[in-house]
Amino acid sequence: GQNIDQPTEMTATEGAIVQINCTYQTSGFNGLFWYQQHAGEAPTFLSYNVLDGLEEKGRFSSFLSRSKGYSYLLLKELQMKDSASYLCAVMDSNYQLIWGAGTKLIIKP
Amino acid sequence: NAGVTQTPKFRVLKTGQSMTLLCAQDMNHEYMYWYRQDPGMGLRLIHYSVGEGTTAKGEVPDGYNVSRLKKQNFLLGLESAAPSQTSVYFCASSDDSSGANVLTFGAGSRLTVL
Repeated sequence: GQNIDQPTEMTATEGAIVQINCTYQTSGFNGLFWYQQHAGEAPTFLSYNVLDGLEEKGRFSSFLSRSKGYSYLLLKELQMKDSASYLCAVMDSNYQLIWGAGTKLIIKP
Repeated sequence: NAGVTQTPKFRVLKTGQSMTLLCAQDMNHEYMYWYRQDPGMGLRLIHYSVGEGTTAKGEVPDGYNVSRLKKQNFLLGLESAAPSQTSVYFCASSDDSSGANVLTFGAGSRLTVL
């Protein structure tokens, strides 16, 4: 079966750095996505990785290792507004998105 | 620029009642999707459409029907609601089905079936 694993909840301090991991087992691979979802709101796109390595976009970076079936989202200089759920999704060989359950990130002052 | 608009935002139904959720997008996207989001689970695809007049089943299609009569609209119907269909429903659209298929989501519709 296809599976996406990510931690259920993480807590971090304002101004710090946090790394959210995502491991996957899917039928093929056509890219990995990270979305941010604030409570009661729609998911919004953060990043897309299809090749191994690090993609940096401001305070957010996303890393992919296809051989290990592993990705992480790195958030730097955490702000209170970063409190949200972070969803990892993988596009399989049929171009279908498989979604993880999301990681709820709690930022403390 | 409205993006993706879903109506209604909230609805309470009794078991056996029917209803339709409406999704409208103004980005001229070809692809549209209906997902449900339940606690502790990833988004699950109900039905999707690759263009006007076409629909296809997703991962959890049972109990739902859809129609895409106009490119900008994608309707999700529940003919006979069941408590198991209590969920938050998200519509999404995209202009590509492969590669960097970035989805734009609506704000969600919270449905409770009693």
